[in-house]
Amino acid sequence: SQQGEEDPQALSIQEGENATMNCSYKTSINNLQWYRQNSGRGLVHLILIRSNEREKHSGRLRVTLDTSKKSSSLLITASRAADTASYFCATDGETSGSRLTFGEGTQLTVNP
Amino acid sequence: EADIYQTPRYLVIGTGKKITLECSQTMGHDKMYWYQQDPGMELHLIHYSYGVNSTEKGDLSSESTVSRIRTEHFPLTLESARPSHTSQYLCASSLSGTSGEQYFGPGTRLTVT
Repeated sequence: SQQGEEDPQALSIQEGENATMNCSYKTSINNLQWYRQNSGRGLVHLILIRSNEREKHSGRLRVTLDTSKKSSSLLITASRAADTASYFCATDGETSGSRLTFGEGTQLTVNP
Repeated sequence: EADIYQTPRYLVIGTGKKITLECSQTMGHDKMYWYQQDPGMELHLIHYSYGVNSTEKGDLSSESTVSRIRTEHFPLTLESARPSHTSQYLCASSLSGTSGEQYFGPGTRLTVT
């Protein structure tokens, strides 16, 4: 079974609105990462949050991590049409040797 | 853009053919990975390597094989392609001793007819 589960599976919003995606995982982790994938392309790393951090910001991205609930959220503020993509969380487990386990992804559509 | 390359980008082949998907990176990364991804689905790790002459099977059973003779090169081979191998194959690399951020190639979309 997948380590990461994301919700919602799909999200459609208007430009300028905020988008929030959630990720849950099952085992203890070293860190949690978020990646973006444009249709038919490879993944691009967005942000990494370590297990001892609770919140991290990068530009319009805000990530939170709650290790007690084994969950994370990715917030994209003031969304743009160019943010349309699939977003995946990935966990680096304590025993995984830096192998990542990816969630099922959230397909975000930002309408102009 | 990451300095990791995959060829071909698209491949359509008949059942039973042998194929090799190429992956090269110029970042000097020790660790390299192959993932399989069906459209709109999660990535599944099928092979990984922590350095030259080191290869391991991933979490998803695969009929493919890999080799790592040079640091920068991590090809994946299917000895006899089947329609069930139709998928997107993504190659990635990461630097040893870091927290595991991976850099991805653009992928190879394989269709077996």
